[in-house]
Amino acid sequence: DGGITQSPKYLFRKEGQNVTLSCEQNLNHDAMYWYRQDPGQGLRLIYYSQIVNDFQKGDIAEGYSVSREKKESFPLTVTSAQKNPTAFYLCASSIVAYNEQFFGPGTRLTVL
Amino acid sequence: AQKVTQAQTEISVVEKEDVTLDCVYETRDTTYYLFWYKQPPSGELVFLIRRNSFDEQNEISGRYSWNFQKSTSSFNFTITASQVVDSAVYFCALSGMDSSYKLIFGSGTRLLVRP
Repeated sequence: DGGITQSPKYLFRKEGQNVTLSCEQNLNHDAMYWYRQDPGQGLRLIYYSQIVNDFQKGDIAEGYSVSREKKESFPLTVTSAQKNPTAFYLCASSIVAYNEQFFGPGTRLTVL
Repeated sequence: AQKVTQAQTEISVVEKEDVTLDCVYETRDTTYYLFWYKQPPSGELVFLIRRNSFDEQNEISGRYSWNFQKSTSSFNFTITASQVVDSAVYFCALSGMDSSYKLIFGSGTRLLVRP
């Protein structure tokens, strides 16, 4: 079964803690992306990576960090510097630029 | 700068009605791609269609159809004979050189199909 997996589905965090969201794909896609979605709003790009060991900031990268050590994995760390981290986080991947992106099921992060 | 506008925040229809979701975009690129995604209550975005800027032919896929008009910078989506399972949030998106290949999403249109 090819696809994108994200874990966990729900995540609760105390203020001041860092937390890492997992994203794995077995589609052999080069590019991977992280988006944030707030209630009633569209998606905003946090980080993206077009090849292994390379990534770029998106529109709202402050308070987040990523790594791309393997083609199939693109974990996102939400740091304590992110002032309002409660949101729905979606990971996506695509073959090359311009091609359609395929999305994982998402992780809903709540800061207590 | 690139921008996607979905002016309809919410639409409510009765089952079997036809419904059109509007999408207007702005870009200075000559080569760009337009997309529609569906987000059901489960949250995962489902890819529906990609259209490149050189192909203005309308597309039909079952009950879904898309109307791309470069003259008005619009890429509208019509669902014919809507069903309750069509209830979801629908996003229009744009990708081009100007955005360094990133997808620029509209704010989405929430469609509610009532039985």
